[in-house]
Amino acid sequence: AQSVTQPDIHITVSEGASLELRCNYSYGATPYLFWYVQSPGQGLQLLLKYFSGDTLVQGIKGFEAEFKRSQSSFNLRKPSVHWSDAAEYFCAVGPPGGTASKLTFGTGTRLQVTL
Amino acid sequence: GAVVSQHPSWVICKSGTSVKIECRSLDFQATTMFWYRQFPKQSLMLMATSNEGSKATYEQGVEKDKFLINHASLTLSTLTVTSAHPEDSSFYICSARAPVQGNTEAFFGQGTRLTVV
Repeated sequence: AQSVTQPDIHITVSEGASLELRCNYSYGATPYLFWYVQSPGQGLQLLLKYFSGDTLVQGIKGFEAEFKRSQSSFNLRKPSVHWSDAAEYFCAVGPPGGTASKLTFGTGTRLQVTL
Repeated sequence: GAVVSQHPSWVICKSGTSVKIECRSLDFQATTMFWYRQFPKQSLMLMATSNEGSKATYEQGVEKDKFLINHASLTLSTLTVTSAHPEDSSFYICSARAPVQGNTEAFFGQGTRLTVV
């Protein structure tokens, strides 16, 4: 069965510092990969996704992620964090090709930004 | 992008009563919607897949008689928590898939916080 691991439950970074959130997955084939952000009491907003092609994907709000097949990883990065980036971040996987496929989420990483 | 709207955003109900949560796709048709549950400081757990015009598919361990799902139209799915108890208090989120540039993408509602007292 597929699974998603986000090893870091909580990360604190200073505003302006770089950020990397880790995500590892277990899947029989190359899945569709997603990063979502959730602000307190809110739904989820898609930051970026990987379906195929270039393994470095660009998303909204200055985020990017790199798919590494050999490491089964899809880490999220941002060169310079802003205070407004403080939120919960979820990595998710879905089966490739499905038009109604369900997502499996990691446990999330809570990002705190200090000024 | 596509918009999914959930209503209400929050609700408080008495133990033993039923609560209905609506999930609407505002600018696209969704034959399939998904209902998730999120406990505090935890991830989203898929409860069921809602299929328009047919019965929902529930994940293992989810009581179908307690969490009634109806997907009567291509833009509306409802989740009814029947005979709610305090342990049902949680954050419920729906999502719907919409075509985006040759693929499909999941769009999420803003969630409903249910508190059972």
